[in-house]
Amino acid sequence: EAGVTQSPTHLIKTRGQQATLRCSPISGHTSVYWYQQALGLGLQFLLWYDEGEERNRGNFPPRFSGRQFPNYSSELNVNALELEDSALYLCASSSDRGRNSPLHFGNGTRLTVT
Amino acid sequence: GNSVTQMEGPVTLSEEAFLTINCTYTATGYPSLFWYVQYPGEGLQLLLKATKADDKGSNKGFEATYRKETTSFHLEKGSVQVSDSAVYFCALMDGSARQLTFGSGTQLTVLP
Repeated sequence: EAGVTQSPTHLIKTRGQQATLRCSPISGHTSVYWYQQALGLGLQFLLWYDEGEERNRGNFPPRFSGRQFPNYSSELNVNALELEDSALYLCASSSDRGRNSPLHFGNGTRLTVT
Repeated sequence: GNSVTQMEGPVTLSEEAFLTINCTYTATGYPSLFWYVQYPGEGLQLLLKATKADDKGSNKGFEATYRKETTSFHLEKGSVQVSDSAVYFCALMDGSARQLTFGSGTQLTVLP
């Protein structure tokens, strides 16, 4: 069974540009989550999508946005990039919304903003 | 709000030593608890989970018991290997928001 796949692996942008990160969940999983892992800040929750809808959002500015497609894949968009947006962005998926259903993570996209 | 506190690292052990990584939590509800591991250059892998009090999660020789009375979920392994070198994260999920709250992570290095 293929795991969560993310693309690109690395992304280099300059301040003010936009970045688009992509995620394909495990087959059969309908929920997709995005997390940011920044140096010194740990793992922070960004967004949760389920069945095409945004279900929950972390404490991030509106320039962080995303969407989920009918095939359950997802995009994370970061507009007006700032230097502090440099981080590893992790996507995860789960099979349902149950409290016991664990999240399965991909290997992440390393975003560098110069 | 929810929070997870892990013992600070880094932790350095010799091969075959006993491992304990402490984790305590604060939650408003009745959370599920998880341990994730992150190997260099990779994402997070689910190591084990427990969903109710006194549950013991186990995988690959690692164990953790959900202790509601002490709000703890300590990770243990009887004999570590060099291949266990990684960063370990304790996490909780509480309620319908489906939001994982992570600890700060503990870097483990196992020397041959």
